[in-house]
Amino acid sequence: GENVEQHPSTLSVQEGDSAVIKCTYSDSASNYFPWYKQELGKGPQLIIDIRSNVGEKKDQRIAVTLNKTAKHFSLHITETQPEDSAVYFCAKTGANNLFFGTGTRLTVIP
Amino acid sequence: NAGVMQNPRHLVRRRGQEARLRCSPVKGHSHVYWYRQLPEEGLKFMVYLQKENIIDESGMPKERFSAEFPKEGPSILRIQQVVRGDSAAYFCASSQRTGLNTGELFFGEGSRLTVL
Repeated sequence: GENVEQHPSTLSVQEGDSAVIKCTYSDSASNYFPWYKQELGKGPQLIIDIRSNVGEKKDQRIAVTLNKTAKHFSLHITETQPEDSAVYFCAKTGANNLFFGTGTRLTVIP
Repeated sequence: NAGVMQNPRHLVRRRGQEARLRCSPVKGHSHVYWYRQLPEEGLKFMVYLQKENIIDESGMPKERFSAEFPKEGPSILRIQQVVRGDSAAYFCASSQRTGLNTGELFFGEGSRLTVL
């Protein structure tokens, strides 16, 4: 119930290309799904989130989609830039906290 | 507006010593969470506290680890008799509203513990 599977673990894209990261979960009770970006030596920062009453949310070059029936959600980054290089974590709510995926190290090649 | 403040940022301890990690939440936040991150791994929940109360410590090891969030002052994560396996980054996060379904977690920069 508390596991969140995240794929891929590493992702390299050329600058300007799109990046997609996918997460799956098993707990039907979760209804809040945030995505965090962690730069080297820093703490995670929220970049976008989605609640279960919507299927898609977009913020400039970042979008998140949620399929609650299939229990998966994805992060989409378009027109990637070198500063997008970081580790990205998906998460879902537990009873009292967030459960995180194992992370995706994204490298954007200039 | 200060974010979540953690100190020390780096801490080195020898096996058997004690480590104390401090966290001051965002001003006005009364919910504090501690997470542990091993190298190249994700964030593992440890404990959730509100002022003077431990709400959920299901992620805390049964021995040597304790946490508190007193009425005044920062939250403290205490690790007694540290072992090499305790080496990790420990992140504190805070939130404002009750329940994560309505609130964002704000993370600190982390405290990196190295046990020699």
